Amino acid sequence: LAKTTQPISMDSYEGQEVNITCSHNNIATNDYITWYQQFPSQGPRFIIQGYKTKVTNEVASLFIPADRKSSTLSLPRVSLSDTAVYYCLVGLSGGSYIPTFGRGTSLIVHP
Amino acid sequence: DGGITQSPKYLFRKEGQNVTLSCEQNLNHDAMYWYRQDPGQGLRLIYYSQIVNDFQKGDIAEGYSVSREKKESFPLTVTSAQKNPTAFYLCASSGRAVVFDEQYFGPGTRLTVT
Repeated sequence: LAKTTQPISMDSYEGQEVNITCSHNNIATNDYITWYQQFPSQGPRFIIQGYKTKVTNEVASLFIPADRKSSTLSLPRVSLSDTAVYYCLVGLSGGSYIPTFGRGTSLIVHP
Repeated sequence: DGGITQSPKYLFRKEGQNVTLSCEQNLNHDAMYWYRQDPGQGLRLIYYSQIVNDFQKGDIAEGYSVSREKKESFPLTVTSAQKNPTAFYLCASSGRAVVFDEQYFGPGTRLTVT
């Protein structure tokens, strides 16, 4: 399974755009990239998933360069409620998938 | 409402006692998972099940047991053999155990053993 590396923590201010980068140097051809968000004392929730280039939904954008060795989760105009831990997961599209959550990135948004 | 439920939200037990955490889903999902989370840490996989009557150990299965007799239910028993059982336990489900199937998480059970 591809190992992922993310910053342990990040700080931002309300209204700013936040970009969280995840490195996955040994990503395989069939691997997808998925991001989850977790608030304190709650279970994680799915944010976005992609395979290549750019994916956008109502919550975030996911940018994946051509070599796919990294990905960047972009949160536009964050608010205090975006303070959470963000996890990057990489896994195979085929066969049995065993999701692996690392420590994630703790984002703190300041007023 | 469709979803995944865990009960109870808080659980207190004395050391040496077995305790069973409940997890139920009405999403008609085949796959279910149990995770453990310690303060400031990520989620660690305890057990997962891809189909009824089948389950596999995750990274930290020692001291835990599960059953999957019904599609909707995946209870986790924390046995007295688990050295450090105090933690936040999360149950999840997905349509299938494949990466592009979103995992849905329950609200969690916070277990304290003294």
